[in-house]
Amino acid sequence: GQQVMQIPQYQHVQEGEDFTTYCNSSTTLSNIQWYKQRPGGHPVFLIQLVKSGEVKKQKRLTFQFGEAKKNSSLHITATQTTDVGTYFCAGDDYKLSFGAGTTVTVRA
Amino acid sequence: NAGVTQTPKFRVLKTGQSMTLLCAQDMNHEYMYWYRQDPGMGLRLIHYSVGEGTTAKGEVPDGYNVSRLKKQNFLLGLESAAPSQTSVYFCASEEGTDTQYFGPGTRLTVL
Repeated sequence: GQQVMQIPQYQHVQEGEDFTTYCNSSTTLSNIQWYKQRPGGHPVFLIQLVKSGEVKKQKRLTFQFGEAKKNSSLHITATQTTDVGTYFCAGDDYKLSFGAGTTVTVRA
Repeated sequence: NAGVTQTPKFRVLKTGQSMTLLCAQDMNHEYMYWYRQDPGMGLRLIHYSVGEGTTAKGEVPDGYNVSRLKKQNFLLGLESAAPSQTSVYFCASEEGTDTQYFGPGTRLTVL
């Protein structure tokens, strides 16, 4: 069945630095979504990518969908304390399948 | 709009007890989902519904039952709780665009 893997599982970042988290699927996806979950909160939708090679930006966050539609990345520039949380990718083949998430902590 | 609400927020059960978790959405969404979230395992789909009166099994359905008698409500039942069902349970709804809206979650502990 469809599997979505995320790396790294944990990301410890110095405030102001950049980092990237990656998402890989075992199958070709029709689209991929990213969600953010703050500590103690619930997942909140960030963005959806549909087209091969698509790149979308939300302020300091850049999302990319791979050419083969089997992988995606989230790049955060100039990390802030507000970026703390767990970022999930969710791939849609015939149903949405969530990765295990990347938990981000920020050192001030 | 309240969005997606879940009742209760917290619950402690003893092994063998039963309970029902309620999810309600006021967005007129057709699709509803129940997930459980455990450390390091992300969100795993328990059951889902594509419309009123329909339900289907997800990735980890054993030990759970669901009902969708009304479009706005999706109930998750545990008939005989086990410690392995200690988790955070999230309900989500979707209008068909794949974007899911999550409730605040229910933290369940089974002793």
